[in-house]
Amino acid sequence: QQQVKQSPQSLIVQKGGIPIINCAYENTAFDYFPWYQQFPGKGPALLIAIRPDVSEKKEGRFTISFNKSAKQFSLHIMDSQPGDSATYFCAASMMGFQKLVFGTGTRLLVSP
Amino acid sequence: NAGVTQTPKFQVLKTGQSMTLQCAQDMNHNSMYWYRQDPGMGLRLIYYSASEGTTDKGEVPNGYNVSRLNKREFSLRLESAAPSQTSVYFCASTVSGAGAYNEQFFGPGTRLTVL
Repeated sequence: QQQVKQSPQSLIVQKGGIPIINCAYENTAFDYFPWYQQFPGKGPALLIAIRPDVSEKKEGRFTISFNKSAKQFSLHIMDSQPGDSATYFCAASMMGFQKLVFGTGTRLLVSP
Repeated sequence: NAGVTQTPKFQVLKTGQSMTLQCAQDMNHNSMYWYRQDPGMGLRLIYYSASEGTTDKGEVPNGYNVSRLNKREFSLRLESAAPSQTSVYFCASTVSGAGAYNEQFFGPGTRLTVL
């Protein structure tokens, strides 16, 4: 019940395309859903996060969509650029919980 | 403000050798974590320390030990390295508590190869 399932495992889009990465969770107690971005040779860094009181959150070209009834959330990257090529991890947690439950990651390549 | 620092950046060991990975944070965070990252398997939690003086096992603790030396430092020890422990190791930290969400800050990683 603590799993977060992430898909796809890898994704290739052309510059300007809109890659979409999906995650699904099981534990309905989760109320914090962050996305992390990791460039090659670096540690993951928080990109954007959402809580279930809203269905969508935008920060620049990055948007999280959240569907509470389906227990799913997704990351959309508008007007993707080669510099967005990285591995993206979704995660889930809840207030006061000591851990983040991570998805297995999506390797995104944005071709020029 | 350096954030989370890890040493060493790279390490090659022979099977059976021991080593300690060091991690320090300067953000006054309560909780610290050790993960390993392997291709296709995401980030797997090895051990974590919710607060100074406490440590708990994560998903893959076998073959590892940890020490929370003080609030800033959290070390990971491999007593007898095995090729299966070849991986990239990340340390992370976060503010934790009843009213906090688990926003973790990661270090740059240690790339370990066990021959």
